[in-house]
Amino acid sequence: SYVLTQPPSVSVAPGKTARITCGGNNIGSKSVHWYQQKPGQAPVLVIYYDSDRPSGIPERFSGSNSGNTATLTISRVEAGDEADYYCQVWDSSSDHPRVVFGGGTKLTVL
Amino acid sequence: QVQLQESGPGLVKPSETLSLTCTVSGGSISSYYWSWIRQPAGKGLEWIGRIYTSGSTNYNPSLKSRVTMSVDTSKNQFSLKLSSVTAADTAVYYCARAEYDSSGYYLDYWGQGTLVTVSS
Repeated sequence: SYVLTQPPSVSVAPGKTARITCGGNNIGSKSVHWYQQKPGQAPVLVIYYDSDRPSGIPERFSGSNSGNTATLTISRVEAGDEADYYCQVWDSSSDHPRVVFGGGTKLTVL
Repeated sequence: QVQLQESGPGLVKPSETLSLTCTVSGGSISSYYWSWIRQPAGKGLEWIGRIYTSGSTNYNPSLKSRVTMSVDTSKNQFSLKLSSVTAADTAVYYCARAEYDSSGYYLDYWGQGTLVTVSS
C-alpha cells in the first residue's frame, strides 16, 4: 500500500518560513492535499491539488509537488499557525482505492 | 455554507456495533462522495471509507470486514456501522464531504467530530 512520510515536528520562529515535507514514491504523479488541525478541532483543508488554496486560506500558505516530495510552505509564520499538518493523497493503484494520510507534522512556533 | 454534524452513542461496549450518523445541512447530499475518518487520542488521521450518493462504497482494507456505510438522501444523512469493536476503536470520528475527479480526492468540509469510547 502507498505510504506518505512526514517529519514528526518542525519548529520555526515567528515571521520566518516553515516548510513541511511529505514523501512518497513518485508522489509528483499524484495530487496532494494538506490539512491543518488545531488542538480539539476538526482538520481544515489549506491546500488542494498540490498548490490551490481554498477561499479564506491566507496567501502565506502555498504548496508544491515534484518527484518523491510534496511540500507545504508557510511564509511569515504567525503564532496562530501552530498546529498539526497532514498531507493526503488518493491511492488508486490497487484493487482497493483509498485515501492515504501522512502521519502528521506538529508545527511549533518558537 | 455546508455543515456536517455527527451523532450517535459516545460509549459502546466491546464486541458490539458502533453506529454513527452524519447530517448534512446547507447543501444537498446528492452527487458527492462522503467519508468517515477517525483519530485516536494523540494520533493521526485514519480514513475509514467513503460512500457515494448512489450507495457505491470503498472501505479501508484494514477495516473492510467490519465496516458498513449507508446513505439516506431523503434525510440528507449518511451513516457508519463498525462491528465487533474493541478498545482500539476508541477515537474521535469525523464525517466529511469529498470533492473527487480523475485527478484526486480531497475533503473540503468536515464535521466537528464525535468521541466514541469502547468500554464495558
